[in-house]
Amino acid sequence: GENVEQHPSTLSVQEGDSAVIKCTYSDSASNYFPWYKQELGKRPQLIIDIRSNVGEKKDQRIAVTLNKTAKHFSLHITETQPEDSAVYFCAASIGGFGNEKLTFGTGTRLTIIP
Amino acid sequence: DTEVTQTPKHLVMGMTNKKSLKCEQHMGHRAMYWYKQKAKKPPELMFVYSYEKLSINESVPSRFSPECPNSSLLNLHLHALQPEDSALYLCASSQVGSGRRGEQFFGPGTRLTVL
Repeated sequence: GENVEQHPSTLSVQEGDSAVIKCTYSDSASNYFPWYKQELGKRPQLIIDIRSNVGEKKDQRIAVTLNKTAKHFSLHITETQPEDSAVYFCAASIGGFGNEKLTFGTGTRLTIIP
Repeated sequence: DTEVTQTPKHLVMGMTNKKSLKCEQHMGHRAMYWYKQKAKKPPELMFVYSYEKLSINESVPSRFSPECPNSSLLNLHLHALQPEDSALYLCASSQVGSGRRGEQFFGPGTRLTVL
């Protein structure tokens, strides 16, 4: 089955700096890669996702890049703010119908230092 | 309504009790999921229902019994649980159909404690 590795497990950055979280996946058939943000005691919330026919996607301060050849994808957060502090999970699935299993990475605890 | 709701928010039960968790969505999604999440770990898939039929069971012990009575509701029946089953139980839903990418929307979860 699919295996997703995520690094780093913890990340602290100064407010205003950029943060980068990286994930690798094992199954070359995976074609859907979402990123979820989970604040303490809250539900995971989708912040951005990318499909394998796209190399990069951006939404305001958040961007995701995908390298299909190397089987890795990354989350980039620019101009970080205190409210960006949370645990971030990457995930991968072999999509196409919408009910496929998501395999999650182990998570990155991001702390923004004011 | 663009949210997934779950009840109860918290549940404490003994190992001999029978209880149920409830999940509801009114977004017209035809896939619904149960996840288990332990502290500082990612969500771990338990079950997937697609068009009200069980499509994935991740080898979950029989003390967890899912039920999908209609397209908006998902239940998880609990019986004879163990203390190690204490966790946050998350429900999620997604649209299905050809070309869908499987964006899953999560509920707030039920925090379960088994004594």
